[in-house]
Amino acid sequence: QSALTQPPSASGFPGQSVTISCTGSSSDVGAYNYVSWYQQHPGKAPKLMIYEVSKRPSGVPDRFSGSKSGNTASLTVSGLQAEDEGDYYCCSYAGSNNLGVFGTGTKVTVL
Amino acid sequence: QITLKESGPTLVKPTQTLTLTCMFSGFSLSSSGVGVGWIRQPPGKALEWLAFIYWDDDKRYSPSLKSRLTITKDTSKNQVVLTMAYMDPVDTATYYCAHSLVGRFGELSVFDYWGQGTLVTVSS
Repeated sequence: QSALTQPPSASGFPGQSVTISCTGSSSDVGAYNYVSWYQQHPGKAPKLMIYEVSKRPSGVPDRFSGSKSGNTASLTVSGLQAEDEGDYYCCSYAGSNNLGVFGTGTKVTVL
Repeated sequence: QITLKESGPTLVKPTQTLTLTCMFSGFSLSSSGVGVGWIRQPPGKALEWLAFIYWDDDKRYSPSLKSRLTITKDTSKNQVVLTMAYMDPVDTATYYCAHSLVGRFGELSVFDYWGQGTLVTVSS
């Protein structure tokens, strides 16, 4: 099972929006609405930002939103802030024998 | 509140077996719809899912590592243990355990709470 494909980097100025894509296949992203997104700061554990494609856990700002079309999921960060810098990973359920496939990761830089 | 913490050796030799323990609080691993997973991250690289144990003791493993992994739980001690055999330098990584919610048909929905991680180095 290959990792989901994400762009290595994305950037934007404060206040702008950035969208990160997560491309899988009809066996994972395209088959299930179990896509989640995680933010990771250097030396820290990942933090859940979006689950089940577009749901936001309590405490996560509504600047973060998720969507999916076909085999590609997306995370959009609106109104970029300095604290949004970090690495972002998507994850998708891929069937009963491969529960979780992660993405390759995207480094977000606030210019 | 839900917390998890990983523990185990920081250094193992090649060919040895790694044993990691995840101690958790704030939930019961006997509650329906709950699971605990292990995920690792080599230095500077992406996350990789390793293993998962459901509340009913069902277990799942990454297909690429299945032959080397064993996951068990001790509900009374609030612990989940992962063993990985035949360690190699490429297994050097930070290992995380995470609380998970499961869908109606056993789908892994989300890793919503993570431990701080433990760095394991494989070297002779």
